[in-house]
Amino acid sequence: NAGVTQTPKFQVLKTGQSMTLQCAQDMNHNSMYWYRQDPGMGLRLIYYSASEGTTDKGEVPNGYNVSRLNKREFSLRLESAAPSQTSVYFCASTPLRGPYEQYFGPGTRLTVT
Amino acid sequence: QQQVKQSPQSLIVQKGGIPIINCAYENTAFDYFPWYQQFPGKGPALLIAIRPDVSEKKEGRFTISFNKSAKQFSLHIMDSQPGDSATYFCAASRDNNDMRFGAGTRLTVKP
Repeated sequence: NAGVTQTPKFQVLKTGQSMTLQCAQDMNHNSMYWYRQDPGMGLRLIYYSASEGTTDKGEVPNGYNVSRLNKREFSLRLESAAPSQTSVYFCASTPLRGPYEQYFGPGTRLTVT
Repeated sequence: QQQVKQSPQSLIVQKGGIPIINCAYENTAFDYFPWYQQFPGKGPALLIAIRPDVSEKKEGRFTISFNKSAKQFSLHIMDSQPGDSATYFCAASRDNNDMRFGAGTRLTVKP
């Protein structure tokens, strides 16, 4: 099992450009999440998907959109990147039942200039 | 407004020492308190977690102490090793979709 995979690992964008971060999990988990990690801020939830076909806003959704393509895949899109979106982005997943443990991917480091 | 406050921001101990990281939370609806460990360039991974019906939980060299009345919990690492050098995050949750993380503590264990 690969667990949670993310692509790309690194990306540099110019202000105003768009891009999609990809995430996939092979653990048959129902819920998937996108977080951003900034120094001194911990991890903050951007969007989540409790099940295939549903998505909901988290703590910091502005400037982002998501798609739950199927049970395995959950993508995060930046339509018009801004320097404030420079961050490390983590995707995570969790099974339907259990003690809320979240399994994280390796992260995507995004720089917006 | 951070719902989970974590301290210290960084911590340096000698090998064999017992680093202690503290967290405080506001929301009494939280019912799951995990600690995550993150190595550079990797995603966080669950280390140990506790529910508010117990005051302490041990797994190997890692112990969570939980004080429900004070709304505080802490992580203790016994006999710390250089391999424990990482960033540690506390978190609190009331359901799968509302995990709130602390700001993180960068731990360095010197040989």
